[in-house]
Amino acid sequence: DSGVTQTPKHLITATGQRVTLRCSPRSGDLSVYWYQQSLDQGLQFLIHYYNGEERAKGNILERFSAQQFPDLHSELNLSSLELGDSALYFCASSRQITQGMVEGYTFGSGTRLTVV
Amino acid sequence: AQRVTQPEKLLSVFKGAPVELKCNYSYSGSPELFWYVQYSRQRLQLLLRHISRESIKGFTADLNKGETSFHLKKPFAQEEDSAMYYCALSGPVWNSGNTPLVFGKGTRLSVIA
Repeated sequence: DSGVTQTPKHLITATGQRVTLRCSPRSGDLSVYWYQQSLDQGLQFLIHYYNGEERAKGNILERFSAQQFPDLHSELNLSSLELGDSALYFCASSRQITQGMVEGYTFGSGTRLTVV
Repeated sequence: AQRVTQPEKLLSVFKGAPVELKCNYSYSGSPELFWYVQYSRQRLQLLLRHISRESIKGFTADLNKGETSFHLKKPFAQEEDSAMYYCALSGPVWNSGNTPLVFGKGTRLSVIA
């Protein structure tokens, strides 16, 4: 167990629908990142939250949104789903890397989204 | 612009042969470099980072700032090394852990018995 929890593990839904993916970061980590992994695009950074505030945006579509709550868990909302949104969605959490620290970034096991 | 390039999509080697997975990066400043491994589209696991200079599972990587490279090497490949390998950077190094990781497109390593 990496300490980062993502739910659900699998999700199958129809085009046009809306889904919410959830991520609980490792204890003590204030940053949460969302990534999309598709077969042809590799790992694409979507969005970064730090302690409840949006810090950076990557290749995130307007149909997608995210937030981080006071307890630091984060949700990624995907709406008006299209077939091309089928992918693995990973969440990672991190803390400032200090000397001696082995791992600053920790990944969850991902949510596999299939849009049919 | 931040960019990580892994020129090989697929690398096949025989068991016991040396392995080198290439990674080049573009970044104005001093980033921190990482290698992650992913088995069968499971979660990404940290293999090593250049600051810690630790060797995990026999893999090593040296940061070459002149060539902006961070190639991953292993002297003798094992079948269990077959996986996807991603090179990534975060930056700047003094703020690592507070910025997103930027990934290359990955190299699939296949070790043939």
